Amino acid sequence: GIQVEQSPPDLILQEGANSTLRCNFSDSVNNLQWFHQNPWGQLINLFYIPSGTKQNGRLSATTVATERYSLLYISSSQTTDSGVYFCALRGGNDYKLSFGAGTTVTVRA
Amino acid sequence: EAQVTQNPRYLITVTGKKLTVTCSQNMNHEYMSWYRQDPGLGLRQIYYSMNVEVTDKGDVPEGYKVSRKEKRNFPLILESPSPNQTSLYFCASSSGEGAFYGYTFGSGTRLTVV
Repeated sequence: GIQVEQSPPDLILQEGANSTLRCNFSDSVNNLQWFHQNPWGQLINLFYIPSGTKQNGRLSATTVATERYSLLYISSSQTTDSGVYFCALRGGNDYKLSFGAGTTVTVRA
Repeated sequence: EAQVTQNPRYLITVTGKKLTVTCSQNMNHEYMSWYRQDPGLGLRQIYYSMNVEVTDKGDVPEGYKVSRKEKRNFPLILESPSPNQTSLYFCASSSGEGAFYGYTFGSGTRLTVV
């Protein structure tokens, strides 16, 4: 199956800092999403972004499908941004959404 | 509000006592699936369903059953739960075949089997 690799595994930020999370994948994809898992365990859909660039407030994402990577940008981070960020994708005829191992973000006040 | 609803949110049960975790979506989605999340193992797919009466195994189906009698509901059944099924479970749904649409996840069910 398709391999998903996220980096870095952990990220500690001071409030107000900017950061970039990366997701590399091993094959062509037809669905790529970024999720935020909050401290209560809920998976919040941030972006559906199989290609191109999207922005939502302080968050933005870019997927370069031809080079098999996606980036999630967090600007002016806040303590509420803490949690685990997952990249999840599916490719080909596989209906399974494959998740990366996640990046744990801790934002300190 | 478009959503996937799981119940219960938390459940503690004993080994061998049958249980059902319900999942319902109000978006008329064809595709539904179940995942479990475990520390160090990430999220893994248990079962999925392409439409009513169509279900198939994911990566870790052992010890679980599902049914899809109605489009909106996709319950997860543990006939004889064991401690290794202690986990955080998520139900998800998507429109069409899921290929070109995003997935919506439920809030999760934290199951403990003692």
